[in-house]
Amino acid sequence: GENVEQHPSTLSVQEGDSAVIKCTYSDSASNYFPWYKQELGKGPQLIIDIRSNVGEKKDQRIAVTLNKTAKHFSLHITETQPEDSAVYFCAASGYSTLTFGKGTMLLVSP
Amino acid sequence: GAVVSQHPSRVICKSGTSVKIECRSLDFQATTMFWYRQFPKQSLMLMATSNEGSKATYEQGVEKDKFLINHASLTLSTLTVTSAHPEDSSFYICSVRGTVYSGEKLFFGSGTQLSVL
Repeated sequence: GENVEQHPSTLSVQEGDSAVIKCTYSDSASNYFPWYKQELGKGPQLIIDIRSNVGEKKDQRIAVTLNKTAKHFSLHITETQPEDSAVYFCAASGYSTLTFGKGTMLLVSP
Repeated sequence: GAVVSQHPSRVICKSGTSVKIECRSLDFQATTMFWYRQFPKQSLMLMATSNEGSKATYEQGVEKDKFLINHASLTLSTLTVTSAHPEDSSFYICSVRGTVYSGEKLFFGSGTQLSVL
């Protein structure tokens, strides 16, 4: 089955800096890669996703890049704000269910 | 995205009792819903796939008699934790696969924190 590795486990940045979270996957058949933001005590919220036929996707301060050859994808957050502090999960799927990474706790200090 | 309502958000119960958690898809009919479990500071673990009108499909290691899933309608799936014990204490989250317009996007409910005393 699919295996998703996510790094780093914790990331601390100053407000206004950029943050990058990286994930690798093992199954070359995976073709859908979403990112979720989870605040304490809440369910995960889909923030951006990318399909395998696209190399990059951007939505305001958030962007995701995908390298199919290397089987890795990354989340980029620019101009971070304290409200970006949360746990971020990457995931990958092919024809079945999503496989999640272990999460990255992002801490943005004012 | 899809609107998923999960209830209750928090429940405390005594050991040996059963607890039911509801998951509703509010804005479209969901033939498939998923139930996840999450321990503190850990990732989401898929427990089972709930299919409307048929038996749920459980992941390896998940006791189907312990975690009863009922998906009786296209908008409602329930998870019942039977004879709950302290080790069942966890954050339970349901999710719904999006409509044909959103493909395989997965939308989550707000979660239920179960504490078994």
